[in-house]
Parts: sequence; C-alpha cells; structure tokens
Amino acid sequence: EIVLTQSPATLSLSPGERATLSCRASQSVSSYLAWYQQKPGQAPRLLIYDASKRATGIPARFSGSGSGTVFTLAISSLEPEDFAIYYCQQRSDWLRTFGPGTKVDI
Amino acid sequence: EVQLVESGGGLVQPGGSLRLSCTVSGFTFTNYWMSWVRQAPGKGLEWVANIKEDGSDKYYVDSVKGRFTISRDNAKNSLYLQMSSLRAEDTAIFYCVRGGGYFDNWGQGTLVTVSS
Repeated sequence: EIVLTQSPATLSLSPGERATLSCRASQSVSSYLAWYQQKPGQAPRLLIYDASKRATGIPARFSGSGSGTVFTLAISSLEPEDFAIYYCQQRSDWLRTFGPGTKVDI
Repeated sequence: EVQLVESGGGLVQPGGSLRLSCTVSGFTFTNYWMSWVRQAPGKGLEWVANIKEDGSDKYYVDSVKGRFTISRDNAKNSLYLQMSSLRAEDTAIFYCVRGGGYFDNWGQGTLVTVSS
C-alpha cells in the first residue's frame, strides 16, 4: 500500500495570501497524483490530476507540481471560498489511497 | 450536467447487510470506470472499490474484501455496492464516484450507520 502523508495538518492564512500544501508518497507514484478540495457538508471536488493538470473549471490560482514522492499544491492568492480541506490521492497502485488532508483555515 | 445520485443508506445492526445504489445521468456510463469512496464521520477519504466499464474487472480495499461486492447495470446506468457482515467501523458516508483512477465527479453521498 502506498501511504500518502500531508503537511501541515492545518494551515492558517488570510485571504490574499499564498498557500503551499505538501504531499509525500511512501514510494514513487510517478506523476499519478491528484488533489481534491472538500468543504463542510459537501462532496470532494477534483482540482488537479496527473500532478499538475487542472481539472475542468478549476481557477488558474490553483497549481500542482512534483513527481516521484514529493508533490505540492499551491494556491496563489486565497479567496474566501478556498478555505477548506485538501486531500491528495494516488492512482499509481491499484489500491487507490488518499492522504489525511490539510485544513486551510483563517 | 453530470449527476450521480446515491440511495440505500441507513441504520443497520452489526453483522447486517445493505445495498447501496447509484443512478447516473449526463454522461455515457459505459465509457467510465466507477468507484465507491467512503468517509467516516469527521475523518478522511477512503477508496472502497472500483469496477471496469463492462464490469469485468473489480478491485477492493483489503478491509472490505469478501464482505462488499461492487456491480453495475449498464442498461440502467446504475452502480451498486452490496455490503454484508457490516461492522461499526463501516459507518461512513458512501460516495458514488465517476472514474477508477482519479475521481472527477461525485454524488452527494449516502450515510451508512452500523450500530445496535
């Protein structure tokens, strides 16, 4: 099983600031990594797939980078609606796994 | 518009069974792998199972192998999850999700509570 670790657990920022979230894999997942956003009471939403490709309708302020075992999700300038929990997920192994999440709050 | 609508959740006793259903619309069902992903109350996301477009391949997380069965009816644009020998730790919101690798569309989820 590929274990994903996310840091920090919580990121306290203000609107307009830049957010940088980290995801590390226990073994290489190549570029087969996605990021999701989940707001309270809602289903998750796919933001980024294949490490750096934005999903349909995702604003350009969201960007992903990395390969192998180290990945980053950046939000260039936080909007009020961006305060949420963010999960990374790998599809390199048939056993799909998610990270524990990073909460971005004010 | 892509829509996935789950049903079938509820309260069940430990050891009991439940069948979840998901009806989809707005896309060609037969072109996509489908998955179930769950989320225990206040916890993170856990992939449960996925199924190939024609139903010929299925994969499960170890914790549900032998207890859960994923299936689909392409004529009805429907996905199912038959759950048996349910345990308290299976309590979660179960999401029907489009995709087998990445999950690009999600239903609103159905809550399964396993408790006596």
